[in-house]
Amino acid sequence: ILNVEQSPQSLHVQEGDSTNFTCSFPSSNFYALHWYRWETAKSPEALFVMTLNGDEKKKGRISATLNTKEGYSHLYIKGSQPEDSATYLCAFTTSGTYKYIFGTGTRLKVLA
Amino acid sequence: DVKVTQSSRYLVKRTGEKVFLECVQDMDHENMFWYRQDPGLGLRLIYFSYDVKMKEKGDIPEGYSVSREKKERFSLILESASTNQTSMYLCASSLRYEQYFGPGTRLTVT
Repeated sequence: ILNVEQSPQSLHVQEGDSTNFTCSFPSSNFYALHWYRWETAKSPEALFVMTLNGDEKKKGRISATLNTKEGYSHLYIKGSQPEDSATYLCAFTTSGTYKYIFGTGTRLKVLA
Repeated sequence: DVKVTQSSRYLVKRTGEKVFLECVQDMDHENMFWYRQDPGLGLRLIYFSYDVKMKEKGDIPEGYSVSREKKERFSLILESASTNQTSMYLCASSLRYEQYFGPGTRLTVT
C-alpha cells in the first residue's frame, strides 16, 4: 500500500515568520509530486507540479524542492502572512496512472 | 478559466435516503474523480472515470456508485445513506496529470 505522509499535522506561526513542511512518499515508480493549497470554503488550488529529482519551483513567497531518490519534498513559505492560512496538501502520482495518493495535509495558521 | 462545480455546498440527509452528488466540469476533461475527506485521513479516492460510461473503483468504493452519461458530468450516488458517510466530498477532473477540484459538498447524514 502506497503511503504519503506530511509533517507537521498543524502549525501556528506569527506573521512574518518563515516556515516549511515536509511530504514523504515512496521513491519507487515515481512520476510526479503535487502541492495544493486548500483554504476554507474554497477549492484546493494547485501550487506546484514537480517531476524531476532536484526540481525547485517558486511562486511568490512560496517555494518547493523535490528529492525523488529519498522520497521527500519540502514546501517553504517566506514571511508568512495571514492569507497564507490554509491546509497544504501534497499528492503523489506513479507512472502509468492518473490517480493521486494524498497526504493528510498540514494545517497552517498565521497569526497577525 | 478552469471550472469544476458541485451541485450543493451543504447537504443534510436522513439514514436510508438515496443521495445524488453532482459534479460538472467545463474543460472537456476525460478523467473525473470523487474523493471524500475526513479529519486525519486526507483525501481518499472513491471512484474515478476515464471516459463516458467508464468507471473504476478507488480505495473506498463500498456504499457508493457512480454515473457518467456525459463527458462533463460525473455523479456520485449513495444508494442508502448511512451516518458513516457523513463527510466532505470533493470532485476533480483532469486531462492528464493535473487535477482541478470543485469546492466540495459537506454531507451530513442523520
